[in-house]
Amino acid sequence: DAGVIQSPRHEVTEMGQEVTLRCKPISGHDYLFWYRQTMMRGLELLIYFNNNVPIDDSGMPEDRFSAKMPNASFSTLKIQPSEPRDSAVYFCASSLTGGSVSGELFFGEGSRLTVL
Amino acid sequence: KQEVTQIPAALSVPEGENLVLNCSFTDSAIYNLQWFRQDPGKGLTSLLLIQSSQREQTSGRLNASLDKSSGRSTLYIAASQPGDSATYLCAVRPDNAGNMLTFGGGTRLMVKP
Repeated sequence: DAGVIQSPRHEVTEMGQEVTLRCKPISGHDYLFWYRQTMMRGLELLIYFNNNVPIDDSGMPEDRFSAKMPNASFSTLKIQPSEPRDSAVYFCASSLTGGSVSGELFFGEGSRLTVL
Repeated sequence: KQEVTQIPAALSVPEGENLVLNCSFTDSAIYNLQWFRQDPGKGLTSLLLIQSSQREQTSGRLNASLDKSSGRSTLYIAASQPGDSATYLCAVRPDNAGNMLTFGGGTRLMVKP
């Protein structure tokens, strides 16, 4: 398997623009997570899905952030409108429950967002 | 609320040295603990996963131990190499919080040739 795939790897945009980040989890994984990483705050969980259903979005900072998972192989994280303080690296991760490796988390390479 | 702490925040050692990275957590009711490695500008790579019923896991030169009762885990790296230079993070999965992991702040390791 190719692992968790994220796009774009880098995004530079201007304040007020809409940003859409994309993620393809590992095939067969039933959990998908969106994290944000900054120097100041480290890794923060934004939202996670189980079997395409959002389970906990308490980490989503504001209504400007939304996430969807229309099917088992695709998820998006959208920021509208974007602000400079949204600049961070956004990671997608997936995991599989059950078996001896239950809960092991696999990360994508991340999407580095810069909002000017 | 679970809190995960990693000490030291940064570590610099000469090549060949054996070293220990520490991870402590405040709530011992965990499901598992996972150690990750992160290279600059990259994502997190899973190194070792220890279930709550296990005491340790080994992979090559890496050995991770878990002591739930004391809220501690250590990552032991034997015969360190410059290629081991990276940030190492530990994360715990609580029993009662679904799949939500709590991450430590990481230890930034530099192994000098």
